[in-house]
Amino acid sequence: DQQVKQNSPSLSVQEGRISILNCDYTNSMFDYFLWYKKYPAEGPTFLISISSIKDKNEDGRFTVFLNKSAKHLSLHIVPSQPGDSAVYFCAASGGNNNDMRFGAGTRLTVKP
Amino acid sequence: NAGVMQNPRHLVRRRGQEARLRCSPMKGHSHVYWYRQLPEEGLKFMVYLQKENIIDESGMPKERFSAEFPKEGPSILRIQQVVRGDSAAYFCASSPKISTGELFFGEGSRLTVL
Repeated sequence: DQQVKQNSPSLSVQEGRISILNCDYTNSMFDYFLWYKKYPAEGPTFLISISSIKDKNEDGRFTVFLNKSAKHLSLHIVPSQPGDSAVYFCAASGGNNNDMRFGAGTRLTVKP
Repeated sequence: NAGVMQNPRHLVRRRGQEARLRCSPMKGHSHVYWYRQLPEEGLKFMVYLQKENIIDESGMPKERFSAEFPKEGPSILRIQQVVRGDSAAYFCASSPKISTGELFFGEGSRLTVL
């Protein structure tokens, strides 16, 4: 069951521009959402998170937006840098077991 | 200040053999999660464990796969009678508490089945 969906497998942007990565979820019990970044041959690392009581969380160049009614969240990176090139995973947790489910990932390429 | 430790980093097995992957969570963490990443795919949840308990194994294949997290020692993901389709990267993550907070991932164990 695909409870967390990232429908864009890849995204390419020019350095300095904005990168917008999208994520949709189906389980209304999720109450905490996270973005992870993954480089090849490494484990995912935490990037930014948002609780369901908020609709926006900002950390430097990274901002996560949450639209609960649409069950949609997005990650904005501005300005994008070549070092941001990686696979970004959206994740959600909550519900009875509180385990965390991940989307399929979006590969971001930032071109110099 | 060690992070999540997984070993082996790389494991090669022939079809029909057994694979054992180990995960030592971060110090003070009592929750462990296992995820599998197939080539060109995302992270698939497999199992969530606390010390001596399996909390959610809804992502585990019904046969050949098992996981444990004993009171002492690392968490172990065991795959019996491996098949080529088991070839993947297996990631372990740990957390100090449930519900909120990030997971801390290990670098993964890459299983190759010949």
